[in-house]
Amino acid sequence: QKEVEQDPGPLSVPEGAIVSLNCTYSNSAFQYFMWYRQYSRKGPELLMYTYSSGNKEDGRFTAQVDKSSKYISLFIRDSQPSDSATYLCAMSGNTGTASKLTFGTGTRLQVTL
Amino acid sequence: EAQVTQNPRYLITVTGKKLTVTCSQNMNHEYMSWYRQDPGLGLRQIYYSMNVEVTDKGDVPEGYKVSRKEKRNFPLILESPSPNQTSLYFCASSLYSGATGELFFGEGSRLTVL
Repeated sequence: QKEVEQDPGPLSVPEGAIVSLNCTYSNSAFQYFMWYRQYSRKGPELLMYTYSSGNKEDGRFTAQVDKSSKYISLFIRDSQPSDSATYLCAMSGNTGTASKLTFGTGTRLQVTL
Repeated sequence: EAQVTQNPRYLITVTGKKLTVTCSQNMNHEYMSWYRQDPGLGLRQIYYSMNVEVTDKGDVPEGYKVSRKEKRNFPLILESPSPNQTSLYFCASSLYSGATGELFFGEGSRLTVL
């Protein structure tokens, strides 16, 4: 079983919809949780970063961490065609080091007009 | 413009022919890393470097070599490529290894080994 599980999609939604992307994990040592966005033929870029449990909001994006359930989510409100990309969750342990990130396999999102 | 630059972006080669994928960053980052991305397996770390002359194995180092002679450059070397190394490769950098997870990625190098 993988340490981080993520539904690969594709997930297709109409413009304006609320999108929910999720990851589950098995390693209770994970403390730092990130979401990266990867456009086609591009490298991933950091979208959201949270530490431990709770919510974090940035514009139309909200990251949520539930450590008791080992479950993290990314919500996108008022989704736009420009949000069409693959979303990767990533997480690391106590040190939060860039060298120890574990990535999910990514969920491909398509926002249609 | 702050960036991580990889070359080549696309490469088709044959089994056993040595190749090097270059990576350069202009952000004065201490930490650099190589990943490969495969369908269903996601991003897996090959090698990483905490600083000049300091490198270490990631999760899938077999068949690869790296060197870090200068802070800005971190080339990935495939001494004798095999078809199972066909993949999409990403170089990434971070300000320092203790950074809170923000990796800056290059645009990727798609390698096909025949």
